Amino acid sequence: AQTVTQSQPEMSVQEAETVTLSCTYDTSENNYYLFWYKQPPSRQMILVIRQEAYKQQNATENRFSVNFQKAAKSFSLKISDSQLGDTAMYFCAFMRHQGGSEKLVFGKGTKLTVNP
Amino acid sequence: EPEVTQTPSHQVTQMGQEVILRCVPISNHLYFYWYRQILGQKVEFLVSFYNNEISEKSEIFDDQFSVERPDGSNFTLKIRSTKLEDSAMYFCASRPGGAYEAFFGQGTRLTVV
Repeated sequence: AQTVTQSQPEMSVQEAETVTLSCTYDTSENNYYLFWYKQPPSRQMILVIRQEAYKQQNATENRFSVNFQKAAKSFSLKISDSQLGDTAMYFCAFMRHQGGSEKLVFGKGTKLTVNP
Repeated sequence: EPEVTQTPSHQVTQMGQEVILRCVPISNHLYFYWYRQILGQKVEFLVSFYNNEISEKSEIFDDQFSVERPDGSNFTLKIRSTKLEDSAMYFCASRPGGAYEAFFGQGTRLTVV
C-alpha cells in the first residue's frame, strides 16, 4: 500500500518570502502521479500542481514549483513570493498510474500561515 | 468553468437517522469518488465508482454506506444509520477518462448529534 508523509504539521512565512513544504511517499510502483492540493478555510480542495513520475522535469505553475526526487521518493512544494491568500492547509497526494478508477492517497497536511 | 457541485453544504442529523449526500459531477467525467475528512485530520478515500458500479471501497465504507448514480448525472452517498463518528466533511470528486486530475466539490459538512 502507498503511504504519504508530510513531516511539517505547521509552517509560517512572511509575505513575499519563499517557503518549501516537504512530502515523502512510499510505493513500489514505477508509474504514478503526485499532487499538491490546497485547502483554504472554506475547506474546498483546490489542485495546486501535479507531477507525472515519468517526467524528469519539475512541474511549475506560476509561483508554485515542485522538487521531485524520484529515487528519494520526495516531492516538495516551493511557494515563491508568498501571498496572504496562500494561507491554507496543503496536502500532498499520490495516485497510481494503472488506468481505471485510481484513488488519491493523501498525507496529513501542512498548515501554512502567511504573515503580513 | 465546469465544477463539481455538492448539496447540502451543511447537514445536521440525529444519530441513527439516514442521510443522503448529493453530488453533481462534471458532465463528461467517467470516474467518481467520495472522500471523507474528519475535522483536523487527513482526507480519506471512501469509494470509487465507474461504469455504474463500485470499483473500490475502503474499510471505512461498510454496510452502512451505499452509493448510487440514479439518473446519469447525480452521484449520491447514503449513510443508513448515522453514528456520532460519521461527523465529517464529505467530498465528492470526479475525473475524466485519460487524465489523472480529480476535481473536488466544495464538500458537505455532516454533523451527527
